[in-house]
Amino acid sequence: AQSVTQLGSHVSVSEGALVLLRCNYSSSVPPYLFWYVQYPNQGLQLLLKYTSAATLVKGINGFEAEFKKSETSFHLTKPSAHMSDAAEYFCAVTSTGTASKLTFGTGTRLQVTL
Amino acid sequence: NAGVTQTPKFRILKIGQSMTLQCTQDMNHNYMYWYRQDPGMGLKLIYYSVGAGITDKGEVPNGYNVSRSTTEDFPLRLELAAPSQTSVYFCASRDQGALSEQYFGPGTRLTVT
Repeated sequence: AQSVTQLGSHVSVSEGALVLLRCNYSSSVPPYLFWYVQYPNQGLQLLLKYTSAATLVKGINGFEAEFKKSETSFHLTKPSAHMSDAAEYFCAVTSTGTASKLTFGTGTRLQVTL
Repeated sequence: NAGVTQTPKFRILKIGQSMTLQCTQDMNHNYMYWYRQDPGMGLKLIYYSVGAGITDKGEVPNGYNVSRSTTEDFPLRLELAAPSQTSVYFCASRDQGALSEQYFGPGTRLTVT
């Protein structure tokens, strides 16, 4: 069984500040990990994914995430928040042999203030 | 390309009514998924399909049915709507390979009263 835990349902940062959204996973097999973003009244779109090729993954819009097996974590970061980053962010896990069904975390809503 | 399209965008149902949520993708993807999204709960998988004619249950299939007669279409059927089915429904599709990105539709917001 696989699961994902996102700590913090709401995170608020000032514009220009560091963004850190936390994700911890549980998986009995090597995981593939994803971060998706959902803007208001829209579907989800992929930010980045961990494929085991590199532990530091760069995604769109300046976001990146680091896979740490020892900590079972895949936290999402961005050095400088922009107002347009305000959205809900979902971490998800899958593995081979499961029809690549994604198991999502409960999401973190990011608020960016002036 | 339109990607993944869903209709309708919004719907209000009375308890006991039935309806079909439509999902179509034009990317020739074999894999398709239906999720529901409830506040604070993330997305839960309802049903999925690995190709035309093949469907399987996800985490929360009760009260729903699906069919996959073509590669493009993956409709979700609610037979006897219940208030617990009030949610936002997302359809997604992806190509072969576990690392392939899932592409999501814009969602259908359903209210059952």
